[in-house]
Amino acid sequence: DAGVIQSPRHEVTEMGQEVTLRCKPISGHDYLFWYRQTMMRGLELLIYFNNNVPIDDSGMPEDRFSAKMPNASFSTLKIQPSEPRDSAVYFCATLPGQRVIGELFFGEGSRLTVL
Amino acid sequence: GNSVTQMEGPVTLSEEAFLTINCTYTATGYPSLFWYVQYPGEGLQLLLKATKADDKGSNKGFEATYRKETTSFHLEKGSVQVSDSAVYFCALSGTGGGNKLTFGTGTQLKVEL
Repeated sequence: DAGVIQSPRHEVTEMGQEVTLRCKPISGHDYLFWYRQTMMRGLELLIYFNNNVPIDDSGMPEDRFSAKMPNASFSTLKIQPSEPRDSAVYFCATLPGQRVIGELFFGEGSRLTVL
Repeated sequence: GNSVTQMEGPVTLSEEAFLTINCTYTATGYPSLFWYVQYPGEGLQLLLKATKADDKGSNKGFEATYRKETTSFHLEKGSVQVSDSAVYFCALSGTGGGNKLTFGTGTQLKVEL
């Protein structure tokens, strides 16, 4: 079984540019989460979806961040415009609906560097 | 709100040493507790879990017991290996937290020969 697939694995961009991170969840998993990891703040939940519907976006830092899940096979996290403080590793994680809460399957992450 | 506090790292041990990584939590209701492990360059993986008080989670030689009276979920292993070198995260999901996990800041473990 393929795991959670994220792309790109590494992205280096300049301040002000648009960044789009992509996630392909495990087939059949009903929940999808976007996390951000930094040394200073650790792991932060940005947003999560259930059956493609955004349930909680209270962790999205500001309007520059947006996330979509147009279908069960694909989600994007977009930052526009990007800033140096957005530099982090962004993880996508999924959860089968029938499992106990908390047993997440993580992708390998997208490392973003904003210069 | 919910929070998780872990001991700061890095923790450096010799192979075959005993490991303890402390984790305490604050939560409303009766949370489920988890340990995740992150190997270099990879995403997090679930290591073990406990869903109610006095439960013991175990996997790959690691153990943790859900202690409600001390609000703790310390991770232990009797004999670590070099391959256990990674970052370990304690996490909780509670009745008041919906489907969200609250993670600790992570503890880096380095095991040397």
